[in-house]
Amino acid sequence: QVQLMESGGGVVHPGGSRRLSCVGSGFMFNGYAVHWVRRAPGKGLEWVAVISQDGSHQYYGDPVKGRFTISRDNSKNTLYLQLNGLRSDDTAMYYCARDTGPTGPPWAFDIWGQGTMVTVSS
Amino acid sequence: SSELTQPPSVSVSPGQTAKITCSGRVLPKQYAYWIQQRPGQAPVVVISKDTERPSGIPERFSGSTSGTIVTLTITGVQTEDEADYYCQSGDTTGVSVVFGGGTTLTVL
Repeated sequence: QVQLMESGGGVVHPGGSRRLSCVGSGFMFNGYAVHWVRRAPGKGLEWVAVISQDGSHQYYGDPVKGRFTISRDNSKNTLYLQLNGLRSDDTAMYYCARDTGPTGPPWAFDIWGQGTMVTVSS
Repeated sequence: SSELTQPPSVSVSPGQTAKITCSGRVLPKQYAYWIQQRPGQAPVVVISKDTERPSGIPERFSGSTSGTIVTLTITGVQTEDEADYYCQSGDTTGVSVVFGGGTTLTVL
């Protein structure tokens, strides 16, 4: 069964850091680009970042540029998101989502994980 | 602000037809996708490339396009279709992903 499973969420103080992970299973992980998307409480979906199949290209949404870093380890079928300089408006459920192809743009999602919650609070 | 505009809410009775629109000037140039998110659940793609229905998505879901507007139509709405629906495309540069603000479908 094709599946993505996120982990690493929790409560973080403002200005703090956190690393999220997303493990893919049931498919050839190194054949697809993968995204992070978030949804803040009471708000809509917001794209965070994407990384190409081999990790050579990364793109970020404006709100996270310079603070978040997307990476992957294909030997472990794992996607990462390093969150630094966290702010209260980064509080959200963070989802990983598989793209339909190895790279882009354009980008399109097909499979999504269940998400991991990050709460930024003092 | 989002480059894709959706109505905040749509309400229908069970068995009726629901139409959710999404407008944006990129839409004649880039594909649109529709994503369903039920409360407490992971998002699911219900329409790809403007009009294609992914495997496993019920036939009552369909997509259409006309110029700068794409439309998600749910024919014969069921109570399980109550969810937030988002359109998704690329931004004007084509590099980034953009979502519409989302539409909450209420099945009365």
